[in-house]
This record gives sequence, structure tokens and C-alpha cells, in this order.
Amino acid sequence: GENVEQHPSTLSVQEGDSAVIKCTYSDSASNYFPWYKQELGKRPQLIIDIRSNVGEKKDQRIAVTLNKTAKHFSLHITETQPEDSAVYFCAASWPSGGSYIPTFGRGTSLIVHP
Amino acid sequence: EPEVTQTPSHQVTQMGQEVILRCVPISNHLYFYWYRQILGQKVEFLVSFYNNEISEKSEIFDDQFSVERPDGSNFTLKIRSTKLEDSAMYFCASRLGDRDTGELFFGEGSRLTVL
Repeated sequence: GENVEQHPSTLSVQEGDSAVIKCTYSDSASNYFPWYKQELGKRPQLIIDIRSNVGEKKDQRIAVTLNKTAKHFSLHITETQPEDSAVYFCAASWPSGGSYIPTFGRGTSLIVHP
Repeated sequence: EPEVTQTPSHQVTQMGQEVILRCVPISNHLYFYWYRQILGQKVEFLVSFYNNEISEKSEIFDDQFSVERPDGSNFTLKIRSTKLEDSAMYFCASRLGDRDTGELFFGEGSRLTVL
């Protein structure tokens, strides 16, 4: 099955700095890579995703890059703000019939200091 | 905005007891999932459900676990005889269907504590 490794487990930055979270996956059949943000006490919510036919995707201060050959993908947050503080999960999804089965990483706790 | 809802938010049970965790997926969604997260560890896939049957399950989802959709709205996870290592946060999620983005919509989780 798929295995997703995520680093770092904790990331502490100053407001305005950039933050980068990296993930690797093992199954070359995975073709959909979402990132979820979970604020304290709340549900995980999708913030950005990328498909295997795309190398990079950007949405305002958030960008994701994918290197299919190396089987790794990264989340980049620029100009971090205190409200970016949360746990971020990467996932790699492999198709199973008509469904996707996301396998999640361990999560990265991002702390943005004002 | 429609949300996935889960009950209870927290349940404490004795080892060996049966537990049922309930989820109400978003009404027009077709795919349903259960994940669990042991404290400090990965979010782990348990099972996916489509068209009133299990479509995929992990090795964690052994005979003590079962899922069902008894009334067309609720989606339940039953743990037959709980063990200490079942203590975790259990997340339900749903997805729209074949032609969607693949986004999973999560509930807020049910924290299970087995004593």
C-alpha cells in the first residue's frame, strides 16, 4: 500500500517568513495530492491540491509543487500570518475503482509567531 | 454550507465494550470514509464505502470493526470489543462522486478513550 512521509513534524517561523513542508510517497499509482489544514479543535479542511499531470499550483500565498520522478511534493506558504498556525497534512491518493483513497502523512504543526 | 457531522464528540468506554460512532455525511455525497488518528500519529485509513458496501479497507479494519448505512443518512462505525489501542480520534469523511475534485469533507471527529 501507499506510504506517505511528512517533514518536519513541527515548524516554527516568524510572521512574514516562508514555511515549507515536504512529503514523499511510495506508490507510483498515486495521482492526486491534497493538502489539508486542521486548526485546533476543528476538522481538517482542504486548502490546495495538485494532480499528477501538473508540476506546480499556486493559490495566493500557498503553492504546491510535485516531482513525480522523485515521488515528492511540497507545500509552500509565503508571508506567513499567525492565523496560518495549524496542523497541515499532506496526502497521496490512489484510485480504487471510482474512488480515491487518500493516505495521509503524520502532519506538521506550524506555529507562526507574531 | 453543508457539513459532515459526527456524534459523539467524545466517548469513554471500558475495554471489551461495544462502541458505535455515528456520522451524517453531506447529503448528496456518494463516497464515505472512516479514518482514525492515534494521538501524535498519522491519520490512518480504515474503510471506504460506496453504493451500500465496503469498497476498500485497510489491514487495521479487522473483524472487530464494521460499518453500515442503516437509514440512508447515517453512516456508522461499530467497534465490537474495544481494546486499549483503539483509543484514538475517529474521523468520518465524505466525497461527492466520480467527477468531483477528489476533496474529502471531514467531520470534527469522535474521540474514543478506552480504559
